[in-house]
Amino acid sequence: AQKITQTQPGMFVQEKEAVTLDCTYDTSDQSYGLFWYKQPSSGEMIFLIYQGSYDEQNATEGRYSLNFQKARKSANLVISASQLGDSAMYFCAANTGGFKTIFGAGTRLFVKA
Amino acid sequence: EPEVTQTPSHQVTQMGQEVILRCVPISNHLYFYWYRQILGQKVEFLVSFYNNEISEKSEIFDDQFSVERPDGSNFTLKIRSTKLEDSAMYFCASSEKVSAGGQETQYFGPGTRLLVL
Repeated sequence: AQKITQTQPGMFVQEKEAVTLDCTYDTSDQSYGLFWYKQPSSGEMIFLIYQGSYDEQNATEGRYSLNFQKARKSANLVISASQLGDSAMYFCAANTGGFKTIFGAGTRLFVKA
Repeated sequence: EPEVTQTPSHQVTQMGQEVILRCVPISNHLYFYWYRQILGQKVEFLVSFYNNEISEKSEIFDDQFSVERPDGSNFTLKIRSTKLEDSAMYFCASSEKVSAGGQETQYFGPGTRLLVL
């Protein structure tokens, strides 16, 4: 069965510094997609970045990059040059094919000025 | 940029009442989903919908729930007789297609916060 584990309930980072949010996943499928979503205090779910299991290069989207280590089944999100507006809940998610995306419990990020 | 929209943003209802949550998926998307997030908990899949029928549903999606695409743009979630434990944020999502390998991104709407009293 699929499972997403985010072991950091909360993280603090100083403005302008980089931060890594951890995510490990458990699946026996060979083909899958990994996603990160941001949920600000207003509640919406904002898609940030996607990594396919067969992608050889780590995904990047602006200040977001995904550190994909397939053998370790980890898909950590790296946010460079943190901004105050990055303070939010971040969810790692996976889809192994089909309709259902499975989410982790989330990590709340606090960016300090 | 196209986005998923949801109405209302907030809904307060009495236990036992019926509620209908509305969503307008991204226009060229063919697959639609509902997810639920109880306060402080993880996001949970409820149901997916394609070609005017349910393609997959979770154990949460019992007989109290139903989904419908009443016209070419709207996608609705109906809760027939609300319970206190239905209080949650309900997200609609859509995707252009579904990939056997899980590579298709689902785009989420802003959510409807439902409070059952």
